[in-house]
Amino acid sequence: DVKVTQSSRYLVKRTGEKVFLECVQDMDHENMFWYRQDPGLGLRLIYFSYDVKMKEKGDIPEGYSVSREKKERFSLILESASTNQTSMYLCASSLAGVLNEQFFGPGTRLTVL
Amino acid sequence: GQQVMQIPQYQHVQEGEDFTTYCNSSTTLSNIQWYKQRPGGHPVFLIQLVKSGEVKKQKRLTFQFGEAKKNSSLHITATQTTDVGTYFCAFNAGNMLTFGGGTRLMVKP
Repeated sequence: DVKVTQSSRYLVKRTGEKVFLECVQDMDHENMFWYRQDPGLGLRLIYFSYDVKMKEKGDIPEGYSVSREKKERFSLILESASTNQTSMYLCASSLAGVLNEQFFGPGTRLTVL
Repeated sequence: GQQVMQIPQYQHVQEGEDFTTYCNSSTTLSNIQWYKQRPGGHPVFLIQLVKSGEVKKQKRLTFQFGEAKKNSSLHITATQTTDVGTYFCAFNAGNMLTFGGGTRLMVKP
């Protein structure tokens, strides 16, 4: 069974803080993704990675960066958190190539005060 | 870039009634995937359609991909309270999946 885990279910941070969201998958997947989910806006892709140390911008990368030092781990970094980054953050992974299903983690609900 | 419109945004049904959600694109799609997200949960993959006119069934769920590969639908027959959740369609643009806005289904027992 594929497992994608995220470091926290709930997180509260202050404006200006640096925030790290961690995601780990145990199925040796090449692709990993970070989305944010907001009511009425669906899931929007922030960044994805198709290999270690490789990253591609998604639809809304502004204000975020990512790190993939190991195949199983993909980190999302908010360099200086702002209130408009309050959201649900979902990590996902999939096998290499296209047309593969994505497996999602449980999500991290981040609140920035 | 390519986008899909998903309608309706919300649907209330009485338990036992049928439900359909539609996913529409102005351009030809390479594929369609459908995901279900239960309240408080995360999206879970249901199915993928790739061929023009393809129809697939999973128990009470029927998935269709249009002949022109520009639209898709998910139909649930005789809804149950366990069907509650948000249903998303998504398609591949390269390595990325682009999601529709989702249809939230609520079922009254």
